Amino acid sequence: KAGVTQTPRYLIKTRGQQVTLSCSPISGHRSVSWYQQTPGQGLQFLFEYFSETQRNKGNFPGRFSGRQFSNSRSEMNVSTLELGDSALYLCASSLKGRTQYFGPGTRLTVL
Amino acid sequence: KQEVTQIPAALSVPEGENLVLNCSFTDSAIYNLQWFRQDPGKGLTSLLLIQSSQREQTSGRLNASLDKSSGRSTLYIAASQPGDSATYLCAVMAQGGSEKLVFGKGTKLTVNP
Repeated sequence: KAGVTQTPRYLIKTRGQQVTLSCSPISGHRSVSWYQQTPGQGLQFLFEYFSETQRNKGNFPGRFSGRQFSNSRSEMNVSTLELGDSALYLCASSLKGRTQYFGPGTRLTVL
Repeated sequence: KQEVTQIPAALSVPEGENLVLNCSFTDSAIYNLQWFRQDPGKGLTSLLLIQSSQREQTSGRLNASLDKSSGRSTLYIAASQPGDSATYLCAVMAQGGSEKLVFGKGTKLTVNP
């Protein structure tokens, strides 16, 4: 069974731009979560989606948004990029309440 | 608010040694606890998941225990190998239906040949 895939793997953007990251969960998994990982803050929860509905949202500004499609694929968008948005963005999928499987991440660099 | 702490932040051991990584959490109302491994620049690999009703889980050379009442979990690695070098992360999921994980900052393990 294919694992969680994330595209693109690397992104370089400049301040003020916007970016869209994509996540394809493991087949059959309807729960998708997003995390931001930085050296200083560690792993922080961004959003959780289940069956196209956002179930939970972390403490991030409104510039961070996301959605989930009917095939469970998910996207997250960051608008008006800031230097501090540089991070590894990780997506995880799971069957409800079970082990979460993470993708390889998207490394975002904001210049 | 749930907080997860992992001690030590870094650990260096010689190959073959048995070792224990510690994780503590402040709110005992958890649904499960998971241990992950992360290699530099990579995603997370799930190692073990312990449901709140369980006391321990084992997979190969790894054994994880959970004491929910005291807010502690340990990951025991037997006969460590250089390939075990990575950052180990502990994460808890709260009761209530959310899939949100709260992570510790991790323990960076180096196993020296």
